Order: sequence, then C-alpha cells, then structure tokens
Amino acid sequence: NAGVMQNPRHLVRRRGQEARLRCSPMKGHSHVYWYRQLPEEGLKFMVYLQKENIIDESGMPKERFSAEFPKEGPSILRIQQVVRGDSAAYFCASSPRPGSGGLTDTQYFGPGTRLTVL
Amino acid sequence: AQSVAQPEDQVNVAEGNPLTVKCTYSVSGNPYLFWYVQYPNRGLQFLLKYITGDNLVKGSYGFEAEFNKSQTSFHLKKPSALVSDSALYFCAVRPLSSNTGKLIFGQGTTLQVKP
Repeated sequence: NAGVMQNPRHLVRRRGQEARLRCSPMKGHSHVYWYRQLPEEGLKFMVYLQKENIIDESGMPKERFSAEFPKEGPSILRIQQVVRGDSAAYFCASSPRPGSGGLTDTQYFGPGTRLTVL
Repeated sequence: AQSVAQPEDQVNVAEGNPLTVKCTYSVSGNPYLFWYVQYPNRGLQFLLKYITGDNLVKGSYGFEAEFNKSQTSFHLKKPSALVSDSALYFCAVRPLSSNTGKLIFGQGTTLQVKP
C-alpha cells in the first residue's frame, strides 16, 4: 500500500518563476492538507482540500499561492512569481475523513518537496 | 492564540537510558494530541495520538506519551533509548474547535542518542 506521494522531491526555481508541487494521497484517502516547513521551524498549516473543494485556506498567503485537488489526478500547490522567502519544505498529508466526524483521524505525511529559490 | 511549545531544542541521552521529550499546549477545550518523528530529508512519521481514555498512550517503536490535563502537557517517553531514535520530534494538537482537522505543530525537538 503506497503512502502519500509527492513530486518532485527537490525543485529549484529562479525568482519570478512558477513552482508546481504535486501530491497524491494514500489509497482510499480523499482529504489533503498542505503544510510548509521553513528552516529551523515547525510545520505551518496552509490549506485543506477535498476533491474539487477548498475547505480551509486560512494558512495560505493571500497572493501568489493557490491549491487545487481535481476530481482526477493529484493535488497541486502552485506558487507564482516565487521569491527567496518561499524557499522551504512543503509537505502534503492525507487522511480518510477529517472534519467533525473524523477529528480523530491521523494525517499521514508525504516525503515533502524541498523548494529552493535562487 | 492556540499554540504548542516544545521547550527544548535538543535532548541528549545515552543509549539505554530513558528519554523524555516535552510538549505543552495552549488551546481551548480538550484537544487531540499527536507525536510525529522526522528523519533527515524525510517526511513525518506518525508515532502515537491521544484522543480520549487512558492518559498513557503507547505508540510505535516503543514510544509512549502521557497526557496531563492539569498541566496541559503531552510528553513523549521511552524507557530505553536507541541510537536509531536520533531524529527530530514534533508534537501537534488538533483543537476540537477546528472542524477542518488542521494540526498545530510545535517547533520540534532534536533527539540525539549517543552510544
């Protein structure tokens, strides 16, 4: 049973370019979370998505960042016009049924994408 | 504001000795509590969680954690440390007020187990 898959594992971009990070949840999971880990810091929540819906984007920066989880295919975290401050590790997690009925559910994390902005 | 504190940046123990990694939280109500471990250049691996019931929770790799409501703490423990336990440990909470299930993480504690 494959775990959460993320690609690419490492991504290098120059300032002003776009970064696309992909996440495929565990089999049977339809809920995805994105977190960002800045150097020497813990993980910070960014966004929570279900298939075709953004449920909570309270942790997303207001500009340049967007996320989607289409009916088919992986979840995508997109960063437009990257800046050096975007350099971080971006982790995706999935769970079967979070929300009020599944608050006890464990989130399982992928290996992360390490973004470096030159 | 809701937060999680791991007061020690690093914990050093000798192999075979007991270890404790501390975690305290500040959230309204009774949260759900989690511990994860992160090895270098890897994702987070789930260790254990407290939802309700017995305050002592047992998890993977011989780890356990004790929920203390009065002290709002959830310290991670292991009776006998292994060199292979050396890693970065994160405590996380999920407030009951969060109907989206997002986790609030501490800043992490590096555990170094010396032979």
